[in-house]
Amino acid sequence: DAKTTQPPSMDCAEGRAANLPCNHSTISGNEYVYWYRQIHSQGPQYIIHGLKNNETNEMASLIITEDRKSSTLILPHATLRDTAVYYCIVIRGGGNKLTFGTGTQLKVEL
Amino acid sequence: GAGVSQSPSNKVTEKGKDVELRCDPISGHTALYWYRQSLGQGLEFLIYFQGNSAPDKSGLPSDRFSAERTGGSVSTLTIQRTQQEDSAVYLCASGRGSPGNTIYFGEGSWLTVV
Repeated sequence: DAKTTQPPSMDCAEGRAANLPCNHSTISGNEYVYWYRQIHSQGPQYIIHGLKNNETNEMASLIITEDRKSSTLILPHATLRDTAVYYCIVIRGGGNKLTFGTGTQLKVEL
Repeated sequence: GAGVSQSPSNKVTEKGKDVELRCDPISGHTALYWYRQSLGQGLEFLIYFQGNSAPDKSGLPSDRFSAERTGGSVSTLTIQRTQQEDSAVYLCASGRGSPGNTIYFGEGSWLTVV
């Protein structure tokens, strides 16, 4: 599975959009981009995933570049409860395991 | 239940004792995973099940660790002769095992070895 690169930390003001980048320049055509987040040591929470097209759900939007070498997770109106470590993972899916890197620590502040 | 269920949620055990941790995956999910996370550390993959078989056991740290899955559903992770370094939260996840499907995590079992 392709490796990903994320900034170690980001800050965001409450109510503003949080844009979390992820670089996956070695992604293959059949690999998906998944985003999870983890608050303290709770179980990781699924946020969103996509293959080629941009995706949106009730939590977030996922923007994947046309060449698929990078993506951005957008939390449109960040709240204090969105403070967490966000993980970008690239995986072929099926039975392949999720390999977690160090992620981005997002801190949402007043 | 609607989500991945793990038990016990917390377990304190004495060094040298055996422990069993249980995972009930989401109904219909054929893929099941075990991870662990020590305090302040990242998530470490332990083992993956597809149905009742385990095609990937590469993350089990020693032969004191074993896992089984029965009926394509419930899984048990067993740690024999526990050591203090085994203290961690043990997380279970499940998915449908097909490309593009989502893997959902439980809330974990906190293990403290004293």
